[in-house]
Amino acid sequence: AQKITQTQPGMFVQEKEAVTLDCTYDTSDPSYGLFWYKQPSSGEMIFLIYQGSYDQQNATEGRYSLNFQKARKSANLVISASQLGDSAMYFCAILIIQGAQKLVFGQGTRLTINP
Amino acid sequence: GAGVSQTPSNKVTEKGKYVELRCDPISGHTALYWYRQSLGQGPEFLIYFQGTGAADDSGLPNDRFFAVRPEGSVSTLKIQRTERGDSAVYLCASSTGQGGNSPLHFGNGTRLTVT
Repeated sequence: AQKITQTQPGMFVQEKEAVTLDCTYDTSDPSYGLFWYKQPSSGEMIFLIYQGSYDQQNATEGRYSLNFQKARKSANLVISASQLGDSAMYFCAILIIQGAQKLVFGQGTRLTINP
Repeated sequence: GAGVSQTPSNKVTEKGKYVELRCDPISGHTALYWYRQSLGQGPEFLIYFQGTGAADDSGLPNDRFFAVRPEGSVSTLKIQRTERGDSAVYLCASSTGQGGNSPLHFGNGTRLTVT
């Protein structure tokens, strides 16, 4: 079975600083995808970024980048130049490509950006 | 275009009653998922449909929970004999279902409160 671990229940960062949100995963499947979602206080789940297990380069989407270290089973999210609107819950998730196709989430990290 | 639509947005019911939660996925998305999210937790997988059939219902907690997707589009999550522990936000998501890099697009959820 797949598992996601997010060890930081809460993070506080000063506006304009970069922040790294940790995510480690556990799976025996060689083919998988890693996702990050943002959930503001409004409750909607917003897709941020995706990394495939066979992708050679780290994924980037605007201010978001994924620090993928396959040997360590780590997929940390890096947010550059943080903004007040980045304050939200952030969830890391894994999807096994062969098989059930279900997305398994971690417990989340609550990020607070201070002005 | 329209996103995933969930109705109602809020539902309050008495213990022991039956409830139905509706999900209207993004047009053309063949994969549909139901998740449950308790306060401060990550979304917990319930069931996954590919087309009309339930490809994986391993997350349904017990036989009080049932979901259907008769025409491969709209889905209904049904909960019989509701209990206070069923109180949570029920999230629906859809995707193209075409491999690992197909992100799930979530609705805004239905907040269920069982009194």
